[in-house]
Amino acid sequence: ETGVTQTPRHLVMGMTNKKSLKCEQHLGHNAMYWYKQSAKKPLELMFVYNFKEQTENNSVPSRFSPECPNSSHLFLHLHTLQPEDSALYLCASSQAVQGSGNTIYFGEGSWLTVV
Amino acid sequence: KNEVEQSPQNLTAQEGEFITINCSYSVGISALHWLQQHPGGGIVSLFMLSSGKKKHGRLIATINIQEKHSSLHITASHPRDSAVYICAVSNYQLIWGAGTKLIIKP
Repeated sequence: ETGVTQTPRHLVMGMTNKKSLKCEQHLGHNAMYWYKQSAKKPLELMFVYNFKEQTENNSVPSRFSPECPNSSHLFLHLHTLQPEDSALYLCASSQAVQGSGNTIYFGEGSWLTVV
Repeated sequence: KNEVEQSPQNLTAQEGEFITINCSYSVGISALHWLQQHPGGGIVSLFMLSSGKKKHGRLIATINIQEKHSSLHITASHPRDSAVYICAVSNYQLIWGAGTKLIIKP
């Protein structure tokens, strides 16, 4: 238990569906992140939120839409995804934004399959 | 060439063996992280270090800033150590290695 909770753990969706991934942290952290992990590739940073404000969008397609209503919750809204978007999506948090040498805490991940 | 390189990519060993996983990087950093990812997907931070050596149980992490190199050692390895071990470095962002898949056979 890392203090970062992701739901759902597994999601299968069609290319025309709309779904959302949810992340919650009760660590009092100010920075939250979405990462994508595809097979045999390094983690890819998607979005960074710092004090609820988006500070980084790593050229992510608009079919992925993040939302951060407060510093404890982060969503990733999904619509009209492609099969190549199938991957493990990891949420993480840290006291301050990455690069400052803070320990980063990950959720268990959401396994997404697009059919 | 990736800014963070790990070796080996895959490692299979027998229970009890001493394990070494290496990480080399090519950028200036404020800290280096070692993390562990089990097959279920979750990632756990093992160490964050900026100099010298840290030890936690059977795990030891070392870093040589001048050589831009870090090692993660596991003593008396056990099948439950089987996981992917990931190195990441902090500069203005986190830069991730591709991971080392470790399998410890009983």
